[in-house]
This record gives sequence, structure tokens and C-alpha cells, in this order.
Amino acid sequence: DGGITQSPKYLFRKEGQNVTLSCEQNLNHDAMYWYRQDPGQGLRLIYYSQIVNDFQKGDIAEGYSVSREKKESFPLTVTSAQKNPTAFYLCASSLEDVDEQFFGPGTRLTVL
Amino acid sequence: AQSVTQLDSQVPVFEEAPVELRCNYSSSVSVYLFWYVQYPNQGLQLLLKYLSGSTLVKGINGFEAEFNKSQTSFHLRKPSVHISDTAEYFCAVSGGSNYQLIWGAGTKLIIKP
Repeated sequence: DGGITQSPKYLFRKEGQNVTLSCEQNLNHDAMYWYRQDPGQGLRLIYYSQIVNDFQKGDIAEGYSVSREKKESFPLTVTSAQKNPTAFYLCASSLEDVDEQFFGPGTRLTVL
Repeated sequence: AQSVTQLDSQVPVFEEAPVELRCNYSSSVSVYLFWYVQYPNQGLQLLLKYLSGSTLVKGINGFEAEFNKSQTSFHLRKPSVHISDTAEYFCAVSGGSNYQLIWGAGTKLIIKP
């Protein structure tokens, strides 16, 4: 079955540590996205990538980094510079710019 | 700049009653509109989308939405809700070529037995 996988589902880290969240898709989509979700705030775009080896900052990129070395993969690193990293992180992909986005199951990150 | 407003943060409704979740947007260009559903601790799933054509769009799970260009609205409706419809619903709009969706803050649908 085609889809998007995110791992792990739950992640705990100590303050000051970098952590990388995995996102893989087998839908052959060109575009991929990372969102952060906090209660009552909807989805906020962190980074997006339209094509391999290219990505753009979203609305809240500070304290995050990404790479897009393969079409299928778009990992997100939450660095120690992110002041409040505890949140639910969602990865998505789309075939074209105006088409629907398909979402992974999300990773809940808790920084202790 | 585009924006999306979901007018209600929570909507409580009795089981088997009809429901309407409201979504208004602002945009100076033609838009594409989406409704997504999110069950607790899960990703988002597309309910329906409007790209062009008929302004009444039917989606999954018995939901439908009507695009009203003059009122810049895209309200979601279901004639009879079930306990399994308990979830958060997000409206989103895309109007440019920058691969981004603009999201509403979400509406929690609470089904009362």
C-alpha cells in the first residue's frame, strides 16, 4: 500500500539534544512538507520541498533543519536552538502544487 | 495574503442531528479549498476538495461542502452525525503556485449521546 510513514510515533528527548524525525513516502510525490501542531493553533508550516535537493523555509523554520537527498525521504531535525520543541509533528506530501496533501500518522515529541 | 477562518473552535451536537462547520477565507485569486479530518493522535485525512466545477462537493463519510464565492465561504455539512464523527476538522485553501496550503485553526466536533 502506498502512503507516508513517520517514525517513531512517540519520542522523548532531554533539553539541549538534537533529534531527527523520519518521514518516508512511496507515493512518488515530488513535494513534501513538515508541519508543527499545537493545541488550538492548527497546522504551522516548518519547511517544504518541491524537488530533491531543494527546500524552502515555512512560517516557523527557526530551530529546525531538513534535507531532501532522496525523493522518498524528508527528515526533520529539531535542534537545541528550538525554544519550545514539544509538539505533534506531521509530515505530508503532494503530487502537484494545488493538489491535496497526504499526511503521515505524526510523531509526538516531548522534550523533558 | 490569504487567510482562513474557522468561526467555531468547538461544535457540540447530539447524535443523529445535522451539523454545519463554518469556514471563511480571504483571497484575491482563485482558490482551491479542502476539508480534512483528524482523529485523536492521528494524521489528517482528506474529507473533500473543491478545485472547480459544481459548487456542491460531496466527500467521504457522508459529508458535503458548498463553495460560495460571493461570501468567500466553504462550509462543511452532514445531515446526521454519528459518534464516530468525533474529531477535529480543518479547512484549508490553496491559491498560489508555492505549494502551500493555508490552514484554519480547526473545529472540534463533539457528539453528545
